[in-house]
Amino acid sequence: DGGITQSPKYLFRKEGQNVTLSCEQNLNHDAMYWYRQDPGQGLRLIYYSQIVNDFQKGDIAEGYSVSREKKESFPLTVTSAQKNPTAFYLCACRDNNNEQFFGPGTRLTVL
Amino acid sequence: DQQVKQNSPSLSVQEGRISILNCDYTNSMFDYFLWYKKYPAEGPTFLISISSIKDKNEDGRFTVFLNKSAKHLSLHIVPSQPGDSAVYFCAATWGTSGSRLTFGEGTQLTVNP
Repeated sequence: DGGITQSPKYLFRKEGQNVTLSCEQNLNHDAMYWYRQDPGQGLRLIYYSQIVNDFQKGDIAEGYSVSREKKESFPLTVTSAQKNPTAFYLCACRDNNNEQFFGPGTRLTVL
Repeated sequence: DQQVKQNSPSLSVQEGRISILNCDYTNSMFDYFLWYKKYPAEGPTFLISISSIKDKNEDGRFTVFLNKSAKHLSLHIVPSQPGDSAVYFCAATWGTSGSRLTFGEGTQLTVNP
């Protein structure tokens, strides 16, 4: 079964801690994306990667970091520098027709 | 700077009637537009898209219309069904952007039986 997965579904973090969100896909797509969604707002792009070992900042990259060591994996680290990390985080990958496929999301709550 | 705007946060329609969701954009570089549907606590799922070389694209009950001069697109759902109740996001991209999508704020559609 091809798809994109995110783990964990719910994540709690204390202030001052870094935390890493997992995103894995077996669709063989080159491009992957991280978005965050806040209540009443659309999805905002954090980082994206068009190919292995390469990534670019999106619109709200401050306080986040990513890596793309493997095609299948695009983990996102939320650092202590991110001022408002509580949000719903969505990972996506893109096919050759420009369609993005989204994972189920991770809800991060900072306590 | 909100480049994609969905001015209606919510829309309520009766089952069987038409639902019309609207989206406006400001960036004239956008050349490809998509609609996504999202249920709570899930990732969005792709519905339908349209290229800027077209003004209409149809897929079953879903039709997207694009008015480039007005920088406006709309999604029509006919007939509306209770299962269509969800948040609908409009998104836009352009050819050299790395296919990064810019999303609107979303419209909550409620279809009443």
